[in-house]
Amino acid sequence: SQQGEEDPQALSIQEGENATMNCSYKTSINNLQWYRQNSGRGLVHLILIRSNEREKHSGRLRVTLDTSKKSSSLLITASRAADTASYFCATVSNTGNQFYFGTGTSLTVIP
Amino acid sequence: NAGVTQTPKFQVLKTGQSMTLQCAQDMNHEYMSWYRQDPGMGLRLIHYSVGAGITDQGEVPNGYNVSRSTTEDFPLRLLSAAPSQTSVYFCASSSARYNEQFFGPGTRLTVL
Repeated sequence: SQQGEEDPQALSIQEGENATMNCSYKTSINNLQWYRQNSGRGLVHLILIRSNEREKHSGRLRVTLDTSKKSSSLLITASRAADTASYFCATVSNTGNQFYFGTGTSLTVIP
Repeated sequence: NAGVTQTPKFQVLKTGQSMTLQCAQDMNHEYMSWYRQDPGMGLRLIHYSVGAGITDQGEVPNGYNVSRSTTEDFPLRLLSAAPSQTSVYFCASSSARYNEQFFGPGTRLTVL
């Protein structure tokens, strides 16, 4: 399988704290994307970082990418109860047409 | 815009039955794909299409067929349902293969 893996599998924090989750992948990529999935719903795109970028911000989200280590991290600052969801990374290779999703991190933000 | 729509939302089949999961998008996206989501496995790509008339296999294509006769529609057919196909199925579309994907709400399928 070419799936990536998120770490940790589950994370529980207090509201207001920061949440960090990591993604490792296996192939060379064109870009890496992060998605959120609320329970029982479809995935929603959060942010895209290209292979020639090292860091990207969007609101309370900060994404880093280290292509030499084939890893990425997603930081959610000042978390809210509404951030409770599963978070997935997805990679798009340069050579194929396929997205590969990681196994996800389940985030619980306690009010 | 409705975005990506999927029908049905829930379905129960008996082993050996066939059915079609419907997916439609109204964003004029060229790239469409089908995933299945199983506990602890994340999303796995079943089939994808880069445009009308063009389809290809993903990571787990066995037991499924697709066709893409129009830009808008991308149905997924289960030929002879098996309990191993019990899963949640998601359809997604994007304007190009490198771009963000828009997901439908999913179809929860149970095969008895």
